[in-house]
Amino acid sequence: QSVLTQPPSVSGTPGQRVAISCSGSSSNIGSDTVSWYQHLPGTAPRLLIYNNTERPSGVPDRFSGSKSGTSASLAISGLQSEDEADYFCSVWDDSLNGRVFGGGTKVTVL
Amino acid sequence: EVQLVQSGAEVKKAGTTVKISCRVSGYVFTDYYMHWVRQAPGKGLEWVGHIDPEDGETIYAEHLQARITITADTSIDTIYLEMSDLRPDDTAVFYCASEASGSLDYWGQGTLLTVSS
Repeated sequence: QSVLTQPPSVSGTPGQRVAISCSGSSSNIGSDTVSWYQHLPGTAPRLLIYNNTERPSGVPDRFSGSKSGTSASLAISGLQSEDEADYFCSVWDDSLNGRVFGGGTKVTVL
Repeated sequence: EVQLVQSGAEVKKAGTTVKISCRVSGYVFTDYYMHWVRQAPGKGLEWVGHIDPEDGETIYAEHLQARITITADTSIDTIYLEMSDLRPDDTAVFYCASEASGSLDYWGQGTLLTVSS
């Protein structure tokens, strides 16, 4: 059971907007910054969002992050077939004194 | 260009010890914390622990701390993960990652560890 809760899957058609939620608590999301990662099978995870809302160089602006209280969200607008992947949220947890990940959300492009 | 290059796949028997490595290039090795993250088959990402290469200070995931040691060799810009008393459920792909922005910015290619009973 992950400390951060994500939906197991979301799906959308090309061009649609989808959002992935990440629910935590006051000891993690409520007190530190959230990052999001894209993971394709057989490859290394890729940082998509850091500091809740910031995109590293090279990440398309179709990806956006937000945070409110003890929850965070990753939105993908203009969904593309290449966006089919697993997405994980992550944050430092002060109670556990360690980094935690969400269980992951599989995005399917219909 | 930042690169994290990990050692190759390992096959181990239960009860034994493994040590995997991650060599860094493209930035000053002591500038960023380094992490280990693993992914068991069909499971999500799990944080294993991290090290500050500058002073060697470590923090480990509580449920693993009795069996793992993370070290850094600043002479060759490399970190290591040693895991003892291996179990079949330790079978996973292990990734190293460096923390440049409060997040895991750069990742290694992964090392598959297979533990047989």
